[in-house]
Amino acid sequence: GAGVSQSPSNKVTEKGKDVELRCDPISGHTALYWYRQSLGQGLEFLIYFQGNSAPDKSGLPSDRFSAERTGGSVSTLTIQRTQQEDSAVYLCASSQVTGGQPQHFGDGTRLSIL
Amino acid sequence: GQQVMQIPQYQHVQEGEDFTTYCNSSTTLSNIQWYKQRPGGHPVFLIQLVKSGEVKKQKRLTFQFGEAKKNSSLHITATQTTDVGTYFCAGFNAGGTSYGKLTFGQGTILTVHP
Repeated sequence: GAGVSQSPSNKVTEKGKDVELRCDPISGHTALYWYRQSLGQGLEFLIYFQGNSAPDKSGLPSDRFSAERTGGSVSTLTIQRTQQEDSAVYLCASSQVTGGQPQHFGDGTRLSIL
Repeated sequence: GQQVMQIPQYQHVQEGEDFTTYCNSSTTLSNIQWYKQRPGGHPVFLIQLVKSGEVKKQKRLTFQFGEAKKNSSLHITATQTTDVGTYFCAGFNAGGTSYGKLTFGQGTILTVHP
């Protein structure tokens, strides 16, 4: 497709379970970002991948969160031992290689922890 | 690290009134971008400002970049109900430690009463 694709669109799971969220960026976009957004709140930066550089993990809230990007394309955000405070919409965005280019967002994954 | 502050957090207006949101960066920016997020949607890129003192218009929206390239504003003239949503600014500093990374403001939630 032409846009950023995220899956699943919704995920409901029990506290303590692990979850994996997937992001398929726009083809050719080397920069990929993960954000978290709670209801009515702003965008909380989680992690940033740029080409082959080491990712900027400065926004990950705890060691239960991790992300990888395989082959410079698809990215997976993993949350281990989920907690109720992890409930939020997780947004992925991608942009072209040059710094500071506009970001294109996916529709997000709405994660609910019971 | 770089911080981008945005005010106000909320703004309620009557249809037809004007609206302004302001963005301030702790560091000089290479560019600043504005995004709009409709309720239930994802942020969508509106515009990018690059030059000191730059002013750009999109119909009823006017965007300004400060002379020092540390602040910006978005002004909407004669708001309409279709303007409802959250407006985010995002700053980019080419000299930052994480190349290409945008820093988002907290957003301004705009509601318009018909």
